Formats: sequence, structure tokens, C-alpha cells
Amino acid sequence: EPEVTQTPSHQVTQMGQEVILRCVPISNHLYFYWYRQILGQKVEFLVSFYNNEISEKSEIFDDQFSVERPDGSNFTLKIRSTKLEDSAMYFCASSKQGADTQYFGPGTRLTVL
Amino acid sequence: SQQGEEDPQALSIQEGENATMNCSYKTSINNLQWYRQNSGRGLVHLILIRSNEREKHSGRLRVTLDTSKKSSSLLITASRAADTASYFCATLNFGNEKLTFGTGTRLTIIP
Repeated sequence: EPEVTQTPSHQVTQMGQEVILRCVPISNHLYFYWYRQILGQKVEFLVSFYNNEISEKSEIFDDQFSVERPDGSNFTLKIRSTKLEDSAMYFCASSKQGADTQYFGPGTRLTVL
Repeated sequence: SQQGEEDPQALSIQEGENATMNCSYKTSINNLQWYRQNSGRGLVHLILIRSNEREKHSGRLRVTLDTSKKSSSLLITASRAADTASYFCATLNFGNEKLTFGTGTRLTIIP
């Protein structure tokens, strides 16, 4: 069964460094998402992406964040200058249509020191 | 109060018993989705119920939706040790694509 994959599974970085989290959505899906979950807290929406542009973003998704679909398979989340409070599990998700089941990847645990 | 509040926060039952978790929300929704998360792992989609549906089944799972009360329930029948996990409801509103997650119910199945 097709699934969303994410790399790396764990990323450790120094505060102020740039990180890129990578995702490969399910191949015939058209909508892509990033969420994050700070330890012990709710899963929070960051951004949705459709037709090569951001369709919706949350207040969390400020100028330090960007997303890109550099080719036909990858979907990336970049954090330009990481802060301690960016430490969280980051989940990528994809869906066939907008108001449809969202399938999540296994997550990337980001630790900012 | 926030969109998507599960209750109870934690539930422990004996293997073989049924587990019921509830979710309440505040705004009108397009659909409601239930997910399972094993400790520190990814989110596994369980079931989606649309606003015009009242009940759905999938294997040992039964989900109900009451839009007049803005609530949903997830029933797991004949629980197994492998069902031990956190369960989240997530709502999708009309006109946008973001899921709003609840706080989750931590379910422990005692062998």
C-alpha cells in the first residue's frame, strides 16, 4: 500500500542553522501538508500546498518557513534560522483531494540545541 | 474551549472489552477524521466520516457523528493489546484544507 515517507527520521541542529525536512507524498495525490507536534501538545497545522503554491498557512508559518516541490515527487519544508522552540515532530501529509483523507508520514523529529 | 476536545483524556480497559472515546468540536465541519498514534510515532488514519453521515464502520471500529451536538465517538470493539495508543479526532471545515486536531485520548489495553 502506498505511503508517505519522510527523511530524516531525526535531525539535530544548532540554533540559527537552516534545516530542510523532506517528504515523498503518495504518488497520485495532489494536496500536500506540513504539521508539527511539540512534545506533549496537539498536532498543529502549518501549511497546505496545491498546484505548486501555498493554499493555506497558519500563524506559525512565518517568514522563517518555506515549502517547495522541487520535482515530481519530493515536498520539502525549510526552516531558515532555527529557534529552540522549533523543536518538534514534523509530519508531512498528502491527500488526493482537498477535503479528503490526509495520509501522514512517520515524522521527522527536529531537535534544536 | 478549543475545536476538537477528546474525552476521556486517558482510558484503561481489559483486553477484550470495548473502548469508547468521544470528541467534541465547536464549528460546522465538512468531515471528521480519527487517527491513532503509537508513542512517538506517526499518525495512522483510521476512518473519515462526513458531515452528512451519522455512522461508519471499519472492522472493529465504529464511528458516530452527531452534528446537532457537534460530537463524535469512536468505539473499538473486542480490544487487543496492540490497540494501546493515543487516539485523536481531527476536523476539517468547509472552505479550507487544514485539519484541526484534538488533544487525544490515551488508551491502554491491559492484557
